[in-house]
Amino acid sequence: NAGVTQTPKFQVLKTGQSMTLQCAQDMNHNSMYWYRQDPGMGLRLIYYSASEGTTDKGEVPNGYNVSRLNKREFSLRLESAAPSQTSVYFCASSEALWGSYEQYFGPGTRLTVT
Amino acid sequence: SQQGEEDPQALSIQEGENATMNCSYKTSINNLQWYRQNSGRGLVHLILIRSNEREKHSGRLRVTLDTSKKSSSLLITASRAADTASYFCAITGAGSYQLTFGKGTKLSVIP
Repeated sequence: NAGVTQTPKFQVLKTGQSMTLQCAQDMNHNSMYWYRQDPGMGLRLIYYSASEGTTDKGEVPNGYNVSRLNKREFSLRLESAAPSQTSVYFCASSEALWGSYEQYFGPGTRLTVT
Repeated sequence: SQQGEEDPQALSIQEGENATMNCSYKTSINNLQWYRQNSGRGLVHLILIRSNEREKHSGRLRVTLDTSKKSSSLLITASRAADTASYFCAITGAGSYQLTFGKGTKLSVIP
């Protein structure tokens, strides 16, 4: 089992460029999440997907869109990157949405927007 | 805010010593989880403790929860250099689904 995988590992964008961060899990989990981690800020939830076919906004959704392509895959898109989106992005999954389930994290994508 | 706050922000100890980290929160919770993050890596789940539980153990880890004081502690006994990492508490508020992470405690274990 690979667990949760993310691509790419590193990315540098110029302001205004777009990109999609990919995430896949092989644990047959129903729920998936996208977080961003900034120094001194902890993890903040961007979007989540309770189950295949559903997505909802988290704490900091502005500037992002998501797609739950199937049960395995959950992508995060930046349509027009801004320097404020420089961060480390983590995808996570869990058996179900409620917080009684542990979350499994991917290795992260380090994004720099210049 | 449903965010937990870890204390201290940073902790440096010698190998073999015990490390204690605390997490305080302000709302009623369903459960509280602890995660570890090694430098440059994703988070790894350590322990989940439910609101009706007071203590849980996993290997060298001991977690306590005091809902009357709205606080939890994570004790790592006989620390090793490999325990060097950041440790986060994450809470699920009563009636909520969302797992909200604190800012973490950075633990350094000196060989």
